[in-house]
Amino acid sequence: DGGITQSPKYLFRKEGQNVTLSCEQNLNHDAMYWYRQDPGQGLRLIYYSQIVNDFQKGDIAEGYSVSREKKESFPLTVTSAQKNPTAFYLCASSFIGQTGDGPQHFGDGTRLSIL
Amino acid sequence: GNSVTQMEGPVTLSEEAFLTINCTYTATGYPSLFWYVQYPGEGLQLLLKATKADDKGSNKGFEATYRKETTSFHLEKGSVQVSDSAVYFCALSWISWGKFQFGAGTQVVVTP
Repeated sequence: DGGITQSPKYLFRKEGQNVTLSCEQNLNHDAMYWYRQDPGQGLRLIYYSQIVNDFQKGDIAEGYSVSREKKESFPLTVTSAQKNPTAFYLCASSFIGQTGDGPQHFGDGTRLSIL
Repeated sequence: GNSVTQMEGPVTLSEEAFLTINCTYTATGYPSLFWYVQYPGEGLQLLLKATKADDKGSNKGFEATYRKETTSFHLEKGSVQVSDSAVYFCALSWISWGKFQFGAGTQVVVTP
């Protein structure tokens, strides 16, 4: 079955450490997205990419970095510059159509905590 | 700019009650509209969508109608179950925009 796979499900970060969250999709979607969700809050967009080797900052990109070397993959690195990284991270993907973008499909999320 | 406003939660109701979650939007032209549901500890799942004015999206007993005149996309269900307890997000996307605008989410709690 097609879908989006995020790994790991739980991740712990030490002070001063960079960590990378994986996101892979086999839906042949053009666009991929990373969101951050804090407890009881909505989704905030970190980065998005509409095409390989190109990506755009979202609303809260500081302290994060991404790459899009393959259509299927969009890893997110939480750097040590992100001082409050504890959150639930969601990856999504969608088609980009001429008459409107397709609905976003989501992975099951990665919960990041600070040790 | 584009925005989505949802009613604040939590919304608490008894099993078999009628559920309405209000959603209004601000956007230029005719965006596509969506409702997503998030169960605890999981990602978001698409619940229903509508792509043009007067379209009605429906799924699993939930319905929402795209009202251009009131810029609204209210979610309704006639008889909720405990298993409907979740957070519901309203969202819009704009042609070739490349990203979605989500509302803040509304938590629904259904008690037996």
